[in-house]
Amino acid sequence: GENVEQHPSTLSVQEGDSAVIKCTYSDSASNYFPWYKQELGKRPQLIIDIRSNVGEKKDQRIAVTLNKTAKHFSLHITETQPEDSAVYFCAASKDSGTYKYIFGTGTRLKVLA
Amino acid sequence: DSGVTQTPKHLITATGQRVTLRCSPRSGDLSVYWYQQSLDQGLQFLIQYYNGEERAKGNILERFSAQQFPDLHSELNLSSLELGDSALYFCASSQGPSSGSLRDTQYFGPGTRLTVL
Repeated sequence: GENVEQHPSTLSVQEGDSAVIKCTYSDSASNYFPWYKQELGKRPQLIIDIRSNVGEKKDQRIAVTLNKTAKHFSLHITETQPEDSAVYFCAASKDSGTYKYIFGTGTRLKVLA
Repeated sequence: DSGVTQTPKHLITATGQRVTLRCSPRSGDLSVYWYQQSLDQGLQFLIQYYNGEERAKGNILERFSAQQFPDLHSELNLSSLELGDSALYFCASSQGPSSGSLRDTQYFGPGTRLTVL
């Protein structure tokens, strides 16, 4: 069935370093890949997304890359700051009757000051 | 603020009881999705409604049901509650589904924290 694997489950980096979170999807028809950041007890917030007709997208310190052949996509955060500490979820969806998301299991990022 | 509202913010109840969680989507959004998030867990998709009709089902228990009303707000009903139902329940909304390029982005509400004692 449809599945999204996300790694690592936890990630600790020093402030100022880069962080990379990777996701692999199983359904080759997937064509939309959002990333959400969730702080403790808060709602997931969309931070960046990418569609299958694009290989890379950047927004200030955050970038997402997509490799359709390998069916994986990655979130890159540069110059990390303590406020980047949160749980990050990737997801995949496709043009279908629902557009429902298949979420990854999440990555807890800790930025150490 | 995503524009998605959920009430109540917190709910404390006892085992065996029934509760109703309410969600109002962003203006213009036709789809509502419900998710359950247990402590330190991921987002479990429960069910989706689009313009009043059920569109997709996830791992939703038979004790749980939902509906979307003509004004597009949605309610999630949880009955015969068990301790394990304690969780954060999120709803999200999107414009979709359709063939448009921006209509599938989901925006999450603040959640309802359910505690079953």
